[in-house]
Amino acid sequence: DAGVIQSPRHEVTEMGQEVTLRCKPISGHDYLFWYRQTMMRGLELLIYFNNNVPIDDSGMPEDRFSAKMPNASFSTLKIQPSEPRDSAVYFCASRGEGGSPLHFGNGTRLTVT
Amino acid sequence: GESVGLHLPTLSVQEGDNSIINCAYSNSASDYFIWYKQESGKGPQFIIDIRSNMDKRQGQRVTVLLNKTVKHLSLQIAATQPGDSAVYFCAEKMPSYKYIFGTGTRLKVLA
Repeated sequence: DAGVIQSPRHEVTEMGQEVTLRCKPISGHDYLFWYRQTMMRGLELLIYFNNNVPIDDSGMPEDRFSAKMPNASFSTLKIQPSEPRDSAVYFCASRGEGGSPLHFGNGTRLTVT
Repeated sequence: GESVGLHLPTLSVQEGDNSIINCAYSNSASDYFIWYKQESGKGPQFIIDIRSNMDKRQGQRVTVLLNKTVKHLSLQIAATQPGDSAVYFCAEKMPSYKYIFGTGTRLKVLA
């Protein structure tokens, strides 16, 4: 089991640029979550999907953020345009059926200068 | 002005002693609870979980206690080892399938 795979591990970009973060969930898992971790706010839920359909995006900060899940094995989180306050570690997590725990990737550390 | 970050509570324990990490959760309708361990540069790792119809669950060296009356969760680690040093988070799963995380506790194991 390869676990949840996120890419890139690190991203440094300039303010105003578009950033795309990628996630491959564990095979067979039908829930996918995007979280953001900062010192100020801890782990915040941004959005989650069930069977590739967005269920709750109330945690997405603003219209600059968007997430897609075109198929069961891939999801993206896009920020356009990026701002310095978006600097954080972004985690993707997946889970299977039956109330199982979330399994996290190792995150993408985003720095916007 | 200067920004203020989260102040992570820190628990320092001697190697070999038992550790108890506490967590207050927010939603009385939450039906599933999880403890995670996060080491530097990594994502949170699953340690142990408990459903709302239980009040205690044991794993290898770890025990989770759930008190639904006061919405409190605790993680007990027996014979704490240097490798247990990390930040520990509790998480609650709401009926909507949202998983909400606590602010975390830093555990430092003293040799």
